Amino acid sequence: QSALTQPPSASGSPGQSVTISCTGTSSDIGAYKYVSWYQQNPGKAPKRIIYEVTKRPSGVPDRFSGSKSGNTASLTVSGLQTEDEGDYYCSSHAGTKVIFGGGTKLTVL
Amino acid sequence: QLQLQESGPGLVKPSETLSLTCTVSGGSISNSSYYWGWIRQPPGKGLQWLGSISYSGGSFYNPSLKSRLSISIDTSKNQFSLNLRSVTAADTAVYYCTREDKSSSDYWGQGTLVTVSS
Repeated sequence: QSALTQPPSASGSPGQSVTISCTGTSSDIGAYKYVSWYQQNPGKAPKRIIYEVTKRPSGVPDRFSGSKSGNTASLTVSGLQTEDEGDYYCSSHAGTKVIFGGGTKLTVL
Repeated sequence: QLQLQESGPGLVKPSETLSLTCTVSGGSISNSSYYWGWIRQPPGKGLQWLGSISYSGGSFYNPSLKSRLSISIDTSKNQFSLNLRSVTAADTAVYYCTREDKSSSDYWGQGTLVTVSS
């Protein structure tokens, strides 16, 4: 099962918005509403920031939002802050398994 | 607050079996709403889902590892475990245990680095 496709890098200045895409197929993202996004800082375990495409766990700022169209999911970070720097991974339910994207390194310029 | 903690050897020889245990505290592993999973991350690389198991023992595995992987659960100890057979250097990674809710990992252990080397 191929990984979901994410851009390797993304960047933006403080206060700007950035969107990270995550492309799958009709067997994963396109078929289910179970897309999640995780933020990972160096040396730390990933932290879930979006689940079920659009839902935000308690404590996650509303600057983070998720969406999906067809086989592509997206994570938008609005009002970028320096602490948003890190690696971001998408994942999707895919029948009897879970698949991840390759990750996107977000740099706040 | 739910906490997960991985434990096991940090060094495994090639061709041997990698065994890790995840101890869950602050909540019961017997909650039928969740699965309990394993995810790994090779140094400098991305995340790979390995598999997950329910409190009753029903399990799902990454097809690419299914022939070498088994996950088990011990509700009496509030623990679940991973066994990966016939390891090679490509299995060197940080291994995380997680709680899964609808294929989404909401709680993670801190991770444990396992190196495969002779």
